[in-house]
Amino acid sequence: QMQLVESGGGLVKPGGSLRLSCAASGFNFRDYYMAWIRQAPGKGPEYIAYISNSGRYTHYADSVKGRFTISRGNANDSVTLQVSSLRAEDTAVYFCARLDSSNSHFDSWGQGTVVTVSS
Amino acid sequence: DVQMTQSPSTLSASVGDTVTITCRTSPNIVNYLAWYQQKPGKAPRLLIYKASSLESGVPSRFSGSGSGTEFTLTISSLQPDDVATYYCQQYDSYSLYAFGQGTKVEI
Repeated sequence: QMQLVESGGGLVKPGGSLRLSCAASGFNFRDYYMAWIRQAPGKGPEYIAYISNSGRYTHYADSVKGRFTISRGNANDSVTLQVSSLRAEDTAVYFCARLDSSNSHFDSWGQGTVVTVSS
Repeated sequence: DVQMTQSPSTLSASVGDTVTITCRTSPNIVNYLAWYQQKPGKAPRLLIYKASSLESGVPSRFSGSGSGTEFTLTISSLQPDDVATYYCQQYDSYSLYAFGQGTKVEI
């Protein structure tokens, strides 16, 4: 049974950094693109980044470009989101998600990790 | 820029009713439209992909239709377990992924 488990969220001051991790299991991790999606309180989901199955290609939403970095470890089936220069508007639940084989939709999601940016 | 309009924002219906949610997109996304169900405190769950394909394990009362710029999610015979917020999500090669504003379904 496939599973995605996020960790690393917490309370951080504006301008601070965090490292979010996602541990994958139950599927052939190196075959899939992976993504991070966030959801601010009371809002809809917002795509923020993806990484190709090899790790060679990445893409970021304009809202996080230059501040967030996505990476993956195919040896240990994990994907990481390094978030820095955090702002109050980055406060959200951050979900790790698997892109389906056509890369057009997200077919499995983790339970999320909460990031709160506040002084 | 990507434009997505999901309607209605809230929908109240009775058990056994058929309900429909609409998502209008710009640009034309062919059939790259997915629907998700989200319950409070939980992650979104994929229901429909590529406009009309039912994800494995999803009850058959959920169905999707449409192409181009207008899409619908239909729930036939609404059940108490269907109380949730529903989101559409589009994919296109320029802006990649965008989600609708959500429709809260109440009984």
